[in-house]
Amino acid sequence: AQKITQTQPGMFVQEKEAVTLDCTYDTSDPSYGLFWYKQPSSGEMIFLIYQGSYDQQNATEGRYSLNFQKARKSANLVISASQLGDSAMYFCAMREYNQAGTALIFGKGTTLSVSS
Amino acid sequence: DTEVTQTPKHLVMGMTNKKSLKCEQHMGHRAMYWYKQKAKKPPELMFVYSYEKLSINESVPSRFSPECPNSSLLNLHLHALQPEDSALYLCASSQDLRQRVRWNEQFFGPGTRLTVL
Repeated sequence: AQKITQTQPGMFVQEKEAVTLDCTYDTSDPSYGLFWYKQPSSGEMIFLIYQGSYDQQNATEGRYSLNFQKARKSANLVISASQLGDSAMYFCAMREYNQAGTALIFGKGTTLSVSS
Repeated sequence: DTEVTQTPKHLVMGMTNKKSLKCEQHMGHRAMYWYKQKAKKPPELMFVYSYEKLSINESVPSRFSPECPNSSLLNLHLHALQPEDSALYLCASSQDLRQRVRWNEQFFGPGTRLTVL
C-alpha cells in the first residue's frame, strides 16, 4: 500500500508567487518524521525541511514552510516568493521510527516549473 | 564536512563489463544507502549498511554487489548488467539507522548516471 501520496505530477508558478506542493501519508506508527527533498535536473537530492510527528509547531526553513495537519495526515510544502532556481522535482518522504532499520519511503514526486 | 561524494559522475559500460561505483562520507555517519532512480521516478532503495554490515537488501539482482570496506566508504560492484539497469545511482548516509533518533535526515551524493549499452 502506498504510504506517501503526492497527487500533483506537475505544478506551474510565476516568479515571486507562493506555491503549495501536496503530500499525504499513511502510517499507524505514532512516531514518525516527514522530509521534503528537492532534486534539480543535475540529480542531487537536496534536503529542504523536516517535521516530526510530535512537533507542536510547523517547521520553517527560510522560504520553505511545512503545513502539517496531523489529523488529516498531510504535510504540504509551501514555497514563498518562488525563484527560477526553484524549478526542480520535489519529493515528500517519511520515516517510521517504529520500523528501526528501515530507510525513507518516498512519494512519486512533483515537478515544479517557475517562469519569469 | 557535510558532503557525500560519488565517483564517477557518469559511466557507460557494456553488458559484459565489470565496474564499480564509489561513495564516500566523512560526517561520522554509520548508515549508508544505495538507491536506484529512473527518470521522473522516486529513488528506489537497493541496499542499506548499518555499522558496516548489510542491513537491508531489497531483493536486488546479484549482478549488483555492495561492499562497505569501512565506515566512510561504500562501493557498488557491477557485473553483467542489462540495459534496463541504466539509471541514476544515488548514495546517501545518515547518523544511525538503529536509533529512533528524532532527526535522522539522509544526506545524498550527486549520483552516478549509469548507461548500459
